[in-house]
Amino acid sequence: DAEITQSPRHKITETGRQVTLACHQTWNHNNMFWYRQDLGHGLRLIHYSYGVQDTNKGEVSDGYSVSRSNTEDLPLTLESAASSQTSVYFCASSPGGRTNGYTFGSGTRLTVV
Amino acid sequence: KQEVTQIPAALSVPEGENLVLNCSFTDSAIYNLQWFRQDPGKGLTSLLLIQSSQREQTSGRLNASLDKSSGRSTLYIAASQPGDSATYLCAVSDTDKLIFGTGTRLQVFP
Repeated sequence: DAEITQSPRHKITETGRQVTLACHQTWNHNNMFWYRQDLGHGLRLIHYSYGVQDTNKGEVSDGYSVSRSNTEDLPLTLESAASSQTSVYFCASSPGGRTNGYTFGSGTRLTVV
Repeated sequence: KQEVTQIPAALSVPEGENLVLNCSFTDSAIYNLQWFRQDPGKGLTSLLLIQSSQREQTSGRLNASLDKSSGRSTLYIAASQPGDSATYLCAVSDTDKLIFGTGTRLQVFP
């Protein structure tokens, strides 16, 4: 069965370190997204991609970057982790278009100490 | 800028009640609207997807309606059960991005 997987499930890192969160989907979806979820803010869009070599900034993109070298993967990199980036991160994918929904991964809980 | 609001923020009801969760959005030019369920510490599970041209969708005890012109959607849960306890999230898709509300936290007690 097709799926979308995130790794690691949990991560603790130190302030200032570079961290990469992985997202891999086997749906063959063109569109992929990264969200963060925080109490009081809900899910906010960090970065998204509509296809290979395409990346776009969301509403909370500062301090994050993504790259899309193939259809299946959209890794999220925190260039220099900050305590404000402690959060739960969700990856999602969609075929795109007006009639299709979104599928989410199980999330990565990141703690920056 | 699209904004999505969900009311109420939290709801606690006895088992067996019929429930209505509300979602409103500010820009009616949406592709579709999706309702999700999230259990504590877990990911998002899609419940219902309503296309912009549709008025409602049903799945088992769940029924979601969409009034695009007024910027509103409701999720109706019939005969609630303790297993329905979770956070329910509404999200609208416009320009191929999902914009989320902050959710309704539901507790159904026996």
